[in-house]
Amino acid sequence: QVQLVQSGAEVKKPGASVKVSCKASGYTFTGYYMHWLRQAPGQGLEWMGWINPNSGGTNYAQKFQGRVTMTRDTSISTAYMELSRLRSDDTAVYYCARDHRAGMVRGVIIHYWGQGTLVTVSS
Amino acid sequence: NFMLTQPHSVSESPGKTVTISCTGSSGSIASNYVQWYQQRPGSAPTTVIYEDNQRPSGVPDRFSGSIDSSSNSASLTISGLKTEDEADYYCQSYDSSNLGVFGGGTKLTVL
Repeated sequence: QVQLVQSGAEVKKPGASVKVSCKASGYTFTGYYMHWLRQAPGQGLEWMGWINPNSGGTNYAQKFQGRVTMTRDTSISTAYMELSRLRSDDTAVYYCARDHRAGMVRGVIIHYWGQGTLVTVSS
Repeated sequence: NFMLTQPHSVSESPGKTVTISCTGSSGSIASNYVQWYQQRPGSAPTTVIYEDNQRPSGVPDRFSGSIDSSSNSASLTISGLKTEDEADYYCQSYDSSNLGVFGGGTKLTVL
């Protein structure tokens, strides 16, 4: 069965960077886009971008351009999301989520979700 | 910018049917697929509808999705409501640049 297991909670100071990992199992890692999303406390879901694990190609939401970097290590079926120049309003639960469709796709259709990683930004 | 608008909250009694709407701000909501995600308190979201009206395996057929082009909206309908259906529900689609867009979420209370 498909599983996405994320790294543990992080506490960071403003201005620092955080890197969250997402280890995939139960399917061919390079076959499906991986999305990253976040949810601030008491707020809704926000899509941040995707990575194509096969090519390493990425597509980021405009809001995060210049601050987010999505990468992957195909040898260990793991995707990463790094967010830099952290601010207090980056405090959120960050999710990785696998697209429903195999191969190169258009748009965002999420099928499987990771358990989430709480990132707290505080001085 | 393309946006999706949902009611903030809805409530209904167990055994009844409830419909949650999701209205697109511009263009045709039928141009791109709409998904629905359920999020119970303290848990990660799960997918209950994808590609407008498809259910992942394991999602009961009490959940259904539809598109109404005349009102430029999508709907999630849950019949035979159970207390376990109480959750936040989010609609999601994507814009002309293939970037993900979410509605603000609807809190469903099953009284």
